[in-house]
Amino acid sequence: RKEVEQDPGPFNVPEGATVAFNCTYSNSASQSFFWYRQDCRKEPKLLMSVYSSGNEDGRFTAQLNRASQYISLLIRDSKLSDSATYLCVVTRGNSGYALNFGKGTSLLVTP
Amino acid sequence: NAGVTQTPKFQVLKTGQSMTLQCAQDMNHNSMYWYRQDPGMGLRLIYYSASEGTTDKGEVPNGYNVSRLNKREFSLRLESAAPSQTSVYFCASSDGTGALHTEAFFGQGTRLTVV
Repeated sequence: RKEVEQDPGPFNVPEGATVAFNCTYSNSASQSFFWYRQDCRKEPKLLMSVYSSGNEDGRFTAQLNRASQYISLLIRDSKLSDSATYLCVVTRGNSGYALNFGKGTSLLVTP
Repeated sequence: NAGVTQTPKFQVLKTGQSMTLQCAQDMNHNSMYWYRQDPGMGLRLIYYSASEGTTDKGEVPNGYNVSRLNKREFSLRLESAAPSQTSVYFCASSDGTGALHTEAFFGQGTRLTVV
């Protein structure tokens, strides 16, 4: 089983829609969690960190459920510019010194 | 404000040739990484270095060697390139204490084709 698994996608949604991405991780010792965004043929960039208490950044909300080993990302009022691949990222268990990436979920927001 | 700089950006190699991908960061980060990204496979960790002087294997280390030259630089070497190593390679750096991590910053990637 891969350490980080995400919804396969792609997600095609109209502008203004709300879309949710899910992610599960297998290593209960993981301590840090992130969502990254990757545009086509570009490097990944941090979208937001994910905390146990949940956190929000404008239209983006991330949630972490440690008991279920589940992470989510909610995007409200989707914009055309949100079209990208969203990567769920988890630290590699106790080592903490490397990040495991999910395969990513592709989002296409259409007019 | 360079961040993470990778060279070269593009490279075509013949099977059996060798090359070194260079990576440097100017953020004083302790940890540096090399990933490869293939269609449908996501980013896979090749090697990482938690601090200057240490390196560890990641998920797919076979066919690669690394050197953490100093705190700033972390190079990836392909000794005898194979077509299976055709990929996009990303170098990244981050900081953290123990199991806690801060944001990882990535270089722009190296698109390598082995023919």
